[in-house]
Amino acid sequence: DAGVIQSPRHEVTEMGQEVTLRCKPISGHDYLFWYRQTMMRGLELLIYFNNNVPIDDSGMPEDRFSAKMPNASFSTLKIQPSEPRDSAVYFCASSLNLDGYTFGSGTRLTVV
Amino acid sequence: AQSVTQLDSQVPVFEEAPVELRCNYSSSVSVYLFWYVQYPNQGLQLLLKYLSGSTLVESINGFEAEFNKSQTSFHLRKPSVHISDTAEYFCAVSKGGATNKLIFGTGTLLAVQP
Repeated sequence: DAGVIQSPRHEVTEMGQEVTLRCKPISGHDYLFWYRQTMMRGLELLIYFNNNVPIDDSGMPEDRFSAKMPNASFSTLKIQPSEPRDSAVYFCASSLNLDGYTFGSGTRLTVV
Repeated sequence: AQSVTQLDSQVPVFEEAPVELRCNYSSSVSVYLFWYVQYPNQGLQLLLKYLSGSTLVESINGFEAEFNKSQTSFHLRKPSVHISDTAEYFCAVSKGGATNKLIFGTGTLLAVQP
């Protein structure tokens, strides 16, 4: 298994542009999570899905952030418009039952 | 609500010395506990977990953690560290069940010096 796959690994964009981050979870996992990691705030849970359905999006910072999971093998996190304070490493993770999460390698987003 | 406290943001230690990374949690219900490790520029990797049964759990690379319900702790220990253990370590708690949501601590940087 290739694990959780995130793309791109690095993204540099200008303020005001739309950014789309992508995630392919491990096949068979029924939970998918999006986290954001910064030095100031540590790891923050943004949103998570169960069987492709969003369960808790209370961590999504603003309406500029949106996430979708159109099928069991793909999810996107979109920021529109992006701002410099959105700069962070965004992690996707997937899980089956209670065995902990498997994290992707992350997308390092820099908004200039 | 659950929460996780990692009191030490950074723990410097010399190679081959023992180390303990502290983790305390608060929850009104039974919990499941995890330690994750993050090496530089990488994602988080599961190090070990406590779901039930024996309160002492071990990882394949020499770390161990003990679930102590009375002290609401899940400290991570290693009797002799290596340079390669330098990383950020995160404690996490989950109620499990239908929500399956992990709450992470703020992390402890283990800095192993030669």
